[in-house]
Amino acid sequence: QLQLQESGPGLVKPSETLSLTCTVSGGSISSRSYYWGWVRQPPGKGLEWIGSMYYSGSTYYNSSLKSRVTISVDTSKNQFSLKLTSVTAADTAVYFCASCAYDYLWGTFSAFDYWGQGTLVTVSS
Amino acid sequence: DIVMTQSPDSLAVSLGERATINCKSSQSVLHSSNNKNFLAWYQQKLGQPPKLLIYWASTRESGVPDRFSGSGSGTDFTLTISSLQAEDVAVYYCQQYYTTPFTFGPGTKVDIK
Repeated sequence: QLQLQESGPGLVKPSETLSLTCTVSGGSISSRSYYWGWVRQPPGKGLEWIGSMYYSGSTYYNSSLKSRVTISVDTSKNQFSLKLTSVTAADTAVYFCASCAYDYLWGTFSAFDYWGQGTLVTVSS
Repeated sequence: DIVMTQSPDSLAVSLGERATINCKSSQSVLHSSNNKNFLAWYQQKLGQPPKLLIYWASTRESGVPDRFSGSGSGTDFTLTISSLQAEDVAVYYCQQYYTTPFTFGPGTKVDIK
């Protein structure tokens, strides 16, 4: 049973970089069977996928954020991280880390089956 | 990008009655590799992360009560709660994982009448 937990600052100034880490327990982040990703939810609004990364470094990003987003994996710590640069108030949201199963034989994804509790990041001076 | 739409935006159902939520994708999410629909349903209660209810459009996640069922194929999907319980009050989202960017529907709020 995977468990995911987000950590990072709850307040970021405009134009700065938002940095969050997701710690995975109950399984290895080096598993070939999972992609590791981030989803965000502005207050009172819906869900937006930010991007997902494989342990090998293969990464997919939402094109709406692609120029500002980097997701990286630290296999030694069983963690993966999100960096979002040049933030504005529009980036204020609850950020969730989540995993989705990956069929590496067919190259297809599955649904997000494990989620962290989420962490609220507010962009404000 | 595949655009997901849901209807209605919200609904109120009496306890024990049926609730039906519709989801439509802007293109088919039926994959030829395995003849499966790459469509999931999530339940999100206030202050909690989304919880996976249904994947492959109709497969219930382990532990999900059988009053939740999913149906549909191609571009049109339905989540049905056969007998609404008080603990089912939540927002429900559909999501396609057929291709990136993964996209979610705007959500349907379910409440008790």
